[in-house]
Amino acid sequence: NAGVTQTPKFQVLKTGQSMTLQCAQDMNHEYMSWYRQDPGMGLRLIHYSVGAGITDQGEVPNGYNVSRSTTEDFPLRLLSAAPSQTSVYFCASSGTGLSGYGYTFGSGTRLTVV
Amino acid sequence: AQKITQTQPGMFVQEKEAVTLDCTYDTSDPSYGLFWYKQPSSGEMIFLIYQGSYDQQNATEGRYSLNFQKARKSANLVISASQLGDSAMYFCAMGAGTASKLTFGTGTRLQVTL
Repeated sequence: NAGVTQTPKFQVLKTGQSMTLQCAQDMNHEYMSWYRQDPGMGLRLIHYSVGAGITDQGEVPNGYNVSRSTTEDFPLRLLSAAPSQTSVYFCASSGTGLSGYGYTFGSGTRLTVV
Repeated sequence: AQKITQTQPGMFVQEKEAVTLDCTYDTSDPSYGLFWYKQPSSGEMIFLIYQGSYDQQNATEGRYSLNFQKARKSANLVISASQLGDSAMYFCAMGAGTASKLTFGTGTRLQVTL
């Protein structure tokens, strides 16, 4: 059982380039979300989805785009990368009810924008 | 809106001693859940323990227990018999209403010494 799979694990981009961070889950979870982690700031929510075709903005959505065409996949697109987007990105998925083990994180993507 | 506050940027504890990591929260939603995650230097988010707002008893998971004081809006993590492998960053988080998104604190870095 793979859980939540994020690719790539590491990426270096030049300012202005675009790219897509991939996230896939095999647990048939309805909810998926993207977070970024910066030093001293914990994890902050970028975008989230409560089901296929439904997405919404989180705390820090600017510069990012998402779509959810299937239950399994929730890609995060950087439209024009900026140095301020240098961060570690985590994808997560969960079932509809609040529970501890029901919330699963991917292993993260470390992105550097130069 | 939800808010999580972790006031201890760093903590030291001797091996085999117990340590308490503080977490206070704020929400107007009557249904919520509180999570603790461990993030070792390798970067992954490891789920430790969960407490639901309607749970009558404090949650326990092995050496981890959650001291839940609802009236004070606190959800402190207690680690008993600390081990060197407990050295890591610890995050408190909250989900309210649904599991679609979590709000994180800024974390506490725990260092276990001999």
